[in-house]
Amino acid sequence: EVQLVESGGALVQPGGSLRLSCAASGFSFSSNWMHWVRQAPGKGLVWVSRIKNDGSRIDYADSVKGRFTTSRDNAKNTLYLQLNSLRAEDTAVYYCVKDQPIDAWGQGTLVTVSS
Amino acid sequence: QAVVTQEPSLTVSPGGTVTLTCDSSTGAVTSSHWTYWFQQKPGQAPRTLIFDTKNRHSWTPARFSGSLLGGKAALTLSGAQPEDEAQYYCLLSFSDSRVFGGGTKLTVL
Repeated sequence: EVQLVESGGALVQPGGSLRLSCAASGFSFSSNWMHWVRQAPGKGLVWVSRIKNDGSRIDYADSVKGRFTTSRDNAKNTLYLQLNSLRAEDTAVYYCVKDQPIDAWGQGTLVTVSS
Repeated sequence: QAVVTQEPSLTVSPGGTVTLTCDSSTGAVTSSHWTYWFQQKPGQAPRTLIFDTKNRHSWTPARFSGSLLGGKAALTLSGAQPEDEAQYYCLLSFSDSRVFGGGTKLTVL
């Protein structure tokens, strides 16, 4: 069974940083592209980033480019999202998502940016 | 980045048929956009219904079908059930990004 478990969400002040993790199991993690998707409270889904299976290509939404960094450790079956220069509008549940095709979502981890 | 548009809300009667659409600001939606459709119920993570425009996952009820219609991607629900009441999102693929639509709230009433 495919499992994706996000962690690392917290309350952080504007301008602060946070690192999210997503532990993957039940599939060949090193073979799959992975995505981060976020959802602000009561709002729709927003695509954040994707990373190729070997980490050689990473794409970002314009809204996070230059502030967020996606990476992965295939030896640990773990996906990461480093969030820097956080703003109030980054407040959201962050989901990690398995691709090829997209068929599995984590339960999400909540990031709250507030003073 | 492109803007992807969906109907904000739709209502269907139990047993009825409804079509949700997904439009791109960059032009016609084609098979090259590899359209996805997701269903999300309150308090739950989204669930993938359709991938690559028209392919169902093993868990997707046969009453859901995906297609291209008049330059848009479409999700048709035939024989709506009460449990189909949910938020539905489409996702389009572009060269260096993915973009979600704003979502359609489907009411079965």
